Amino acid sequence: AQKVTQAQTEISVVEKEDVTLDCVYETRDTTYYLFWYKQPPSGELVFLIRRNSFDEQNEISGRYSWNFQKSTSSFNFTITASQVVDSAVYFCALSASLYSGGGADGLTFGKGTHLIIQP
Amino acid sequence: NAGVTQTPKFQVLKTGQSMTLQCAQDMNHEYMSWYRQDPGMGLRLIHYSVGAGITDQGEVPNGYNVSRSTTEDFPLRLLSAAPSQTSVYFCASRVRETTEAFFGQGTRLTVV
Repeated sequence: AQKVTQAQTEISVVEKEDVTLDCVYETRDTTYYLFWYKQPPSGELVFLIRRNSFDEQNEISGRYSWNFQKSTSSFNFTITASQVVDSAVYFCALSASLYSGGGADGLTFGKGTHLIIQP
Repeated sequence: NAGVTQTPKFQVLKTGQSMTLQCAQDMNHEYMSWYRQDPGMGLRLIHYSVGAGITDQGEVPNGYNVSRSTTEDFPLRLLSAAPSQTSVYFCASRVRETTEAFFGQGTRLTVV
């Protein structure tokens, strides 16, 4: 069965600090996709990034960066110079084949990390 | 392009009542799913569909029913509401199992 673990339930930092959200996954598939979603206080789920298992290059988008390491089955998310608007719940998710024992439709979510940025 | 549209946004039900949460997408996605979100539990899959006429159960299907008669619509029916079904419900769609899911705005349901 596939699984996503976000061990940090809540993180609180002061504005302008850098913060890293951890995501560890388990899957038997050799081809899979990893995602990060943001859920701001307004409640909607916003897609941030998709990464496939063949591409271990780190990705940077403005203040956001993602570090994918297959050797440790991790897909961590770093926010540089955090801002109050970054306050949200962040979800890591894994999608593999329908038959890998995951979340039935192939998409499995972690329980989320609540990030609080204090001014 | 509306994306994924869920109605209603808020609903209060009495125990034992039934209702249908509506979900429609205009992106011609084959995959559609219903999730519930409870504090500290992340998103848990209720039912999903990989195409019109095809549905299957997810992790927490009890007390819910779905059908998929068209590609666009995927309604979720609560047969006899219970307080344990108080939750926020999200509908999602995606092209296939390896692509990102697009979510509706969510429905906050309270069963009293």
